[in-house]
Amino acid sequence: AQSVAQPEDQVNVAEGNPLTVKCTYSVSGNPYLFWYVQYPNRGLQFLLKYITGDNLVKGSYGFEAEFNKSQTSFHLKKPSALVSDSALYFCALRRDTDKLIFGTGTRLQVFP
Amino acid sequence: GAGVSQTPSNKVTEKGKYVELRCDPISGHTALYWYRQSLGQGPEFLIYFQGTGAADDSGLPNDRFFAVRPEGSVSTLKIQRTERGDSAVYLCASSRQGGDGYTFGSGTRLTVV
Repeated sequence: AQSVAQPEDQVNVAEGNPLTVKCTYSVSGNPYLFWYVQYPNRGLQFLLKYITGDNLVKGSYGFEAEFNKSQTSFHLKKPSALVSDSALYFCALRRDTDKLIFGTGTRLQVFP
Repeated sequence: GAGVSQTPSNKVTEKGKYVELRCDPISGHTALYWYRQSLGQGPEFLIYFQGTGAADDSGLPNDRFFAVRPEGSVSTLKIQRTERGDSAVYLCASSRQGGDGYTFGSGTRLTVV
């Protein structure tokens, strides 16, 4: 069965520090992996995706994610967090069909 | 339009009533998706349209839920005999050709009282 896990409900980080939001997946075959961000009362916004190729994917707003096949992970990272990065982050998986399977989300709180 | 538009943004209805939620996708996007997001959860897939036809409706929870897209653009999600457990944010998304970074609407928050 295909699934996505986000082991942390919340991540707290000080502004200017690096941040990591974790995601692991389970799928047979090659996954397509995505990160989305959700601000209060807003729809999900696409950040980045991994389809194939370079394991380090760069996306919007300075975010990047590293695909690690051996660890079945796709962690979201940013070298220097901003208070405005505070939001809910979702990892998602697509395989075979066009529907996305989402994780339960991680709330990122960046403190000034 | 510039983005995916969902109306209404909020809907409060009484248990047992019928509701319709509308999604207006980005012009030219052939693929349209409906998801449901309950409090504290990630979005869950409901149904996917490619053009006018439902390519995958495996996520619809039961026969009270139905969706249409008669002209291949606007879609309506219909819920009959609403129950309190149907309360959630219903998200619509569209893409040019299935998958590849959908654009989501802001959602309709449905509250069944």
